[in-house]
Formats: sequence, C-alpha cells, structure tokens
Amino acid sequence: DAMVIQNPRYQVTQFGKPVTLSCSQTLNHNVMYWYQQKSSQAPKLLFHYYDKDFNNEADTPDNFQSRRPNTSFCFLDIRSPGLGDTAMYLCATSLPGLGEKLFFGSGTQLSVL
Amino acid sequence: RKEVEQDPGPFNVPEGATVAFNCTYSNSASQSFFWYRQDCRKEPKLLMSVYSSGNEDGRFTAQLNRASQYISLLIRDSKLSDSATYLCVVNPPYSSASKIIFGSGTRLSIRP
Repeated sequence: DAMVIQNPRYQVTQFGKPVTLSCSQTLNHNVMYWYQQKSSQAPKLLFHYYDKDFNNEADTPDNFQSRRPNTSFCFLDIRSPGLGDTAMYLCATSLPGLGEKLFFGSGTQLSVL
Repeated sequence: RKEVEQDPGPFNVPEGATVAFNCTYSNSASQSFFWYRQDCRKEPKLLMSVYSSGNEDGRFTAQLNRASQYISLLIRDSKLSDSATYLCVVNPPYSSASKIIFGSGTRLSIRP
C-alpha cells in the first residue's frame, strides 16, 4: 500500500549527539512536512518542502536541518540535540491545491538523555 | 489572536452522550478545513473534511460557518473508542508555500 514510512519508530540519543530521522513516501506527493509534537501539544511545523523548494518556519531553531534528496525521501537532522528536543517527530505529505489533506507517517519518538 | 483556536479540553462525557467541539480561525481567506483524530502516542489521522454545506459520516457531523469563521464537530451516541484528541486543521489560501495550521487539540474522554 502507498504510504508514508518513518524510521526509526523510537530513537534515543545523548545530549549533543547528532541524530537523523528519516521519512519516505510512495504517494509521489509534492509537499513533505516535518512537525514536532511535544506531549499534550499540537504538532508544530518545523519546515516543509514543495518539491525541492525548502520553506523554513521563522521560529525553527538552527539546530534543525532538513534534506530532501528526491521526491520520495526526506530527512530531519538535529545537529546537537538538547533535552528540550525530546518529542514525537511527524513526517507528513500532501498534494498542493485546494482541499489538500495530510498523510502522516507513524512518527518517530525521540528521547534525548 | 491565534490563527486557529479550539475549545480547551478536556471533555469528559458518558457513553451515549452527544458532544460538540468548536474551532475558530482568523484568516477569512482560508480554503479548506479538516478534523483529525489523534490517539495517545500515535500520529493524527484524518477524521473528516469540512465543507460549506456541512457533512455527515455516521455519528459524526462537521459544519463550517464562514461568516463567523468557525468549524464544528458533533459526535452523537459517543462510544468509549471515541476517546482521543481531536485536532482542527485549516489550510490557508493556496500558494507555493502553503502551510497547514493545527489547532491545539481538544481532549475527549468517554466514560462508561
């Protein structure tokens, strides 16, 4: 089935140790998003790609970077994770246009120790 | 004013009750609207889209009021399995940098 796949499902890293989260999609959607969701909060958009066009949210820390080498894959790099970066990271895709719906991966739960 | 605001939860209602949530949005040019359901430690899943004419899917009814800039979700005959967080989602007018906006979510707990 076409879907959005995130790996790993759970990730533990040490304070300051770089970590990369991955997302792949078989939907061939133009837009890919990375959201950060902390406990009991709404998902917070970090950045998104429209094809290769990268769009960073103004309040996304420089510590967070992203790469989209092709349509199918998107990566979230956290260069020096802090304790406050412990959260669920959600990848989502959509097609552009009216009525665009988000298709989410199952998320990566990141714990920074 | 937040771009999207939801009723603050949590709602705690007995099984079989009818419960309604509202969500207001600030951008009058917003184009499309959705309700997502999110279970604990899981990803959000699309519950239903919201259309100007209103739409119904079984026990769930969604309404859009463009004049007052809010959407609503009504759940009839609530089940224990309806316990979840319900997220309101609003799409701004389409552009090459479109950004989908989430509300903060409303927690619903159905008790036996």
